[in-house]
Amino acid sequence: DTGVSQNPRHKITKRGQNVTFRCDPISEHNRLYWYRQTLGQGPEFLTYFQNEAQLEKSRLLSDRFSAERPKGSFSTLEIQRTEQGDSAMYLCASSAGTGGTGELFFGEGSRLTVL
Amino acid sequence: GQNIDQPTEMTATEGAIVQINCTYQTSGFNGLFWYQQHAGEAPTFLSYNVLDGLEEKGRFSSFLSRSKGYSYLLLKELQMKDSASYLCAVRRRPGGSYIPTFGRGTSLIVHP
Repeated sequence: DTGVSQNPRHKITKRGQNVTFRCDPISEHNRLYWYRQTLGQGPEFLTYFQNEAQLEKSRLLSDRFSAERPKGSFSTLEIQRTEQGDSAMYLCASSAGTGGTGELFFGEGSRLTVL
Repeated sequence: GQNIDQPTEMTATEGAIVQINCTYQTSGFNGLFWYQQHAGEAPTFLSYNVLDGLEEKGRFSSFLSRSKGYSYLLLKELQMKDSASYLCAVRRRPGGSYIPTFGRGTSLIVHP
């Protein structure tokens, strides 16, 4: 296993378009997280899955954002009607459910630029 | 809600020791992490504390005081490659979820 994989790595889109990002976590990890990061800030929590269940979603997340993890493996994050303020790095992370420290393993991120 | 505070930027000299502080306020505390993030890269795990005290791992150590809502990351024998952002993250356990919340990060600049 090569770690958490995200694609596309870069996405440039026009305001108003929809975009979708995909995350493939480490295969044995049942916890999956989406974060958003802008320059000079720490990662901001968006949503959390345990297996296929979306257990928590940030109150800051508008209804233009939706995430799924249909079979408890890969996840998608969709942003509808993108706005310039959505420009950021979208980070996916996974962690093991039991044992260890439960640290997050991050993917390389998907950088979104909304023109 | 949660409040996590850490200095925005620090500078230090190669070979020296630097301490990066993090204070937090949260309910349902379930551990504190430190991550390192080089510019343009993903965060990588450095350390984890859930009980009070010091955890040492090579050149890096992390300390936690739960009663004070305080942690620090200690970096010894600084190297140029340690120039990076250091993120403090507090994990809480509301219900059955485990959600790490990150501070804004401390940008460490190591100069010769």
